Amino acid sequence: DAGVTQTPRHEVAEKGQTIILKCEPVSGHNDLFWYRQTKIQGLELLSYFRSKSLMEDGGAFKDRFKAEMLNSSFSTLKIQPTEPKDSAVYLCASSGLAYYAEQFFGPGTRLTVL
Amino acid sequence: GQGVEQPAKLMSVEGTFARVNCTYSTSGFNGLSWYQQREGQAPVFLSYVVLDGLKDSGHFSTFLSRSNGYSYLLLTELQIKDSASYLCAVSPYNTNTGKLTFGDGTVLTVKP
Repeated sequence: DAGVTQTPRHEVAEKGQTIILKCEPVSGHNDLFWYRQTKIQGLELLSYFRSKSLMEDGGAFKDRFKAEMLNSSFSTLKIQPTEPKDSAVYLCASSGLAYYAEQFFGPGTRLTVL
Repeated sequence: GQGVEQPAKLMSVEGTFARVNCTYSTSGFNGLSWYQQREGQAPVFLSYVVLDGLKDSGHFSTFLSRSNGYSYLLLTELQIKDSASYLCAVSPYNTNTGKLTFGDGTVLTVKP
């Protein structure tokens, strides 16, 4: 079984650019999460989908962050426009309804905004 | 993480043990999970507890006290490779949701 995959693994963007991060969850999982992780803030939830429906959009991240899930096997996170403070690791995770306590994380995308 | 607190750092010695503490104060409680995150890698699920008491799983054991909003992860016979960040995560709701509230993690350093 393939785990969660994320692309790209690394992204460097200029301030003001638009970037799109991609995630493929574990096949059959109903829940998908986008997180941002920094040493200072820890893990912050950006978006949460259940069966492709947006359950939570992370409040403070609404303005420039938009996650979409057009089908059950693919999700994107768009950041527009990027700012230097967006430099972080972006993690995608998925879990199944039968055992929501175990989230499977992808390897992450390390974003650097110059 | 809001409502879930962990000490930032912990240090121990190879061959001994380490106890990683976690306290929480969230609305409702469905259970608590522990994750390990090595430097530069993604978090990996270790254990899930929902009942009070000690759950012995060999190298990793977990304890939960729901009335005190407290849990710990106990690592025994420490190895250098156990050096990592350990995150606890609470499912704070009584409704059907997969969302977890994560603590900021405790960085465990195991010295020779």
